[in-house]
Amino acid sequence: AQKVTQAQTEISVVEKEDVTLDCVYETRDTTYYLFWYKQPPSGELVFLIRRNSFDEQNEISGRYSWNFQKSTSSFNFTITASQVVDSAVYFCALSEAGYGGSQGNLIFGKGTKLSVKP
Amino acid sequence: GAVVSQHPSWVICKSGTSVKIECRSLDFQATTMFWYRQFPKQSLMLMATSNEGSKATYEQGVEKDKFLINHASLTLSTLTVTSAHPEDSSFYICSAVWAGSYEQYFGPGTRLTVT
Repeated sequence: AQKVTQAQTEISVVEKEDVTLDCVYETRDTTYYLFWYKQPPSGELVFLIRRNSFDEQNEISGRYSWNFQKSTSSFNFTITASQVVDSAVYFCALSEAGYGGSQGNLIFGKGTKLSVKP
Repeated sequence: GAVVSQHPSWVICKSGTSVKIECRSLDFQATTMFWYRQFPKQSLMLMATSNEGSKATYEQGVEKDKFLINHASLTLSTLTVTSAHPEDSSFYICSAVWAGSYEQYFGPGTRLTVT
């Protein structure tokens, strides 16, 4: 069965601190996709990144970076020099192949609430 | 990028009434649509999967007679909550994909409050 674990329920940091959000996943499939989404108080999900299981390259996008390690089934997310606007709930998610070869449904972790204080 | 809309964005209804939520893919044809539910301060949980041309597949524990899903066309899926009760109050989010796509596009969500 597939599962996503975000062990950190809430994290509070002071602006400009770096923060890492952990994500550990379980799947038996060899082909799968991993995601991070941001959910601000408005509720709308903001897509941050998608990674497929064959691409273990780490990625950096501005202040955001992701560390994908298949050996430990982890896909961690780091925000460098955090800002108040980064305050939100962050979800890690996993999906496998779905209908017609397209993406299947997402299995979400429980989310990590990040509070960045000025 | 592809856009998915939901209507209404929020709705308040009385217990025992039915409410319909629409999910539209605005600039692509969605071969699969997913419906998720998110209770306050909880994660998103899949309710059902709707593939074009077939009946929706419901997750365990989701009453298919209570949550009616219709994938009416390649750009529209509707979720009808029948005989709503306060415990159905939640944030309902749809997402859509097209055949062969590895991208999943989420709607902005509908906040349902049943009084």
